Amino acid sequence: SQQGEEDPQALSIQEGENATMNCSYKTSINNLQWYRQNSGRGLVHLILIRSNEREKHSGRLRVTLDTSKKSSSLLITASRAADTASYFCATARTNAGKSTFGDGTTLTVKP
Amino acid sequence: EPEVTQTPSHQVTQMGQEVILRCVPISNHLYFYWYRQILGQKVEFLVSFYNNEISEKSEIFDDQFSVERPDGSNFTLKIRSTKLEDSAMYFCARQGGTEAFFGQGTRLTVV
Repeated sequence: SQQGEEDPQALSIQEGENATMNCSYKTSINNLQWYRQNSGRGLVHLILIRSNEREKHSGRLRVTLDTSKKSSSLLITASRAADTASYFCATARTNAGKSTFGDGTTLTVKP
Repeated sequence: EPEVTQTPSHQVTQMGQEVILRCVPISNHLYFYWYRQILGQKVEFLVSFYNNEISEKSEIFDDQFSVERPDGSNFTLKIRSTKLEDSAMYFCARQGGTEAFFGQGTRLTVV
C-alpha cells in the first residue's frame, strides 16, 4: 500500500445524493489536502485540514481527519452533475513539504 | 488571476528533443514544486525548490531533469533527451502557508 490511498476508486451517484470518499495514509502528517481534477485539467484545491483538526467545512464539502486511524473522508452533500470529477487526497509531512497524492476517486454524478 | 500560470498548455515534441516547461508563480514565495501525472495515474512529486536551490527530489528526477528560476520570476523544468514515457501532465505548484497552489499544467506529448 502507498501513502494516500482513496476508496472507492469509482463512485456513481444520482444528483442530489451525498458522496463520500475516503483516504488512508501511512506516515505521520502535518496536513492533508483534498483536490478536484476535471478530466485532463489542472488540480483545484478544495480544502486543507491540519493534523490537529478533526473536521472542516467549506460550502457543501465536509472533511474529517482521524489521525489515530490515519484516515480522512470527504463528503460532498447535495451533489450536482458539475461535481463529476476525480478527487485526490494529498498529505504533507511538514508545513511546506511536498505533497504525496493518492490514486484518486472518480466521481460521476448523474443528472 | 490564477495563482500559478504554466506555459505552454500543451507541447508535442520528438523523442530525444529537449523541452522547457515554464511556470510563473505570481506571488513572491520561496517554495516551488514540480509534479507529474501520467495519464490515468496519480500525481507524482518530482522536485521541490526552496530559496533558489533544490531542497528535495524524487527517484523520477534523474539527470535528465533540471530546474531553474533564472530571472527570479519564471520557474522552469527542463527535460533533456525526452523519452516516450515522459509523456504526462506536468504541474508546477507554489506553497502559500500550508496550502499548495497548482497551475493548470502542461500536457507534454513525446512522439
